Amino acid sequence: DAGVIQSPRHEVTEMGQEVTLRCKPISGHDYLFWYRQTMMRGLELLIYFNNNVPIDDSGMPEDRFSAKMPNASFSTLKIQPSEPRDSAVYFCASSSDPGMVGTEAFFGQGTRLTVV
Amino acid sequence: AQSVAQPEDQVNVAEGNPLTVKCTYSVSGNPYLFWYVQYPNRGLQFLLKYITGDNLVKGSYGFEAEFNKSQTSFHLKKPSALVSDSALYFCAVTYWASGTYKYIFGTGTRLKVLA
Repeated sequence: DAGVIQSPRHEVTEMGQEVTLRCKPISGHDYLFWYRQTMMRGLELLIYFNNNVPIDDSGMPEDRFSAKMPNASFSTLKIQPSEPRDSAVYFCASSSDPGMVGTEAFFGQGTRLTVV
Repeated sequence: AQSVAQPEDQVNVAEGNPLTVKCTYSVSGNPYLFWYVQYPNRGLQFLLKYITGDNLVKGSYGFEAEFNKSQTSFHLKKPSALVSDSALYFCAVTYWASGTYKYIFGTGTRLKVLA
């Protein structure tokens, strides 16, 4: 397996524009996570899915952020409209059931978003 | 509130010396504990985990961690540091609450191994 695949790797956009980040999890993993990493706030969990269903979105900062998982092999994180304070590295991660053996997460390489 | 603390923003150690990166947690119940490492411009990579059993856990690249329930700590250790160990290290906790799994990461500790 190629691991968790994120696209694009880098995104520069103007304030007010819509941004869509994409993620393909590892095949067979039932859990998918979206994280945001900034210098100020460290690594924050935004939302996670189990079997394509959003389970905990309490970390989503505001209504401008939305995430979907239409099938087991694809997820998107959308920001509309984007603001400069959204600039960060966004990571997608996947894992199998944590309740089974407390499995670890596998992270993608991240998308570096810059909103100007 | 549930939390994970990494009290040191940065740890410097000379190559060949033992290293310790500290982590404490405040989580009810029996959490799962993890260490991840992040190299520049990369995603996080799993190092090791504690689920249950032996308090000393061995992981990748010669790292180990000691779970101490009474001190609610899970410090990362390595007997002899390498320059290539220089990276950002994250402690993380998974626990069950309110009908779902919760996931918390520490703020990270930058390890610098000096030649």
